[in-house]
Amino acid sequence: AQKVTQAQTEISVVEKEDVTLDCVYETRDTTYYLFWYKQPPSGELVFLIRRNSFDEQNEISGRYSWNFQKSTSSFNFTITASQVVDSAVYFCALSEWSTGNQFYFGTGTSLTVIP
Amino acid sequence: DVKVTQSSRYLVKRTGEKVFLECVQDMDHENMFWYRQDPGLGLRLIYFSYDVKMKEKGDIPEGYSVSREKKERFSLILESASTNQTSMYLCASSTLGSGANVLTFGAGSRLTVL
Repeated sequence: AQKVTQAQTEISVVEKEDVTLDCVYETRDTTYYLFWYKQPPSGELVFLIRRNSFDEQNEISGRYSWNFQKSTSSFNFTITASQVVDSAVYFCALSEWSTGNQFYFGTGTSLTVIP
Repeated sequence: DVKVTQSSRYLVKRTGEKVFLECVQDMDHENMFWYRQDPGLGLRLIYFSYDVKMKEKGDIPEGYSVSREKKERFSLILESASTNQTSMYLCASSTLGSGANVLTFGAGSRLTVL
């Protein structure tokens, strides 16, 4: 079974629109970590954020914000006032305390921001 | 600037050839990983290593082997390349831990097997 689901395969928005990327996860661990990575056209995945399962506070970093809800097992990512440089593939990932070094990645959401 | 460096960005090989993909990290990380990325499938773990000469199979180890003779270097080997191994290969590293550690990725190696 897929531990991390990113149902949106591709999204296109016009520059300055807001966009939300969905991530739903599945785990039985009480201690786990959630991540978002960005993969621009250059290919290298870049770390954006990590949350642990005990911290449900939403996070804002500039135009980026993350909404973590354990009740719905979701960790959604919103880009406000999108820009062309936000065009990339975005991956959500899960790691669990019990499996330590194992990371589970979603299939990614390809975001295109149209100027 | 800390880095994970993959030796080849693009490779073209023929079916049956032996292929080496090299990865070097300069962060003194204990863990190193090889992932394969395919459209619609996301990242799938091939092998990982948590110490020199140690290795663990990931989700799709068939057709691959790895070597870690030095802490900073983790090699992925395709003993006899096949067309279904045409893909993007990503190397990553992290410190030893309980899942909280961030992965640092290389830029990827795009392999085409003809």
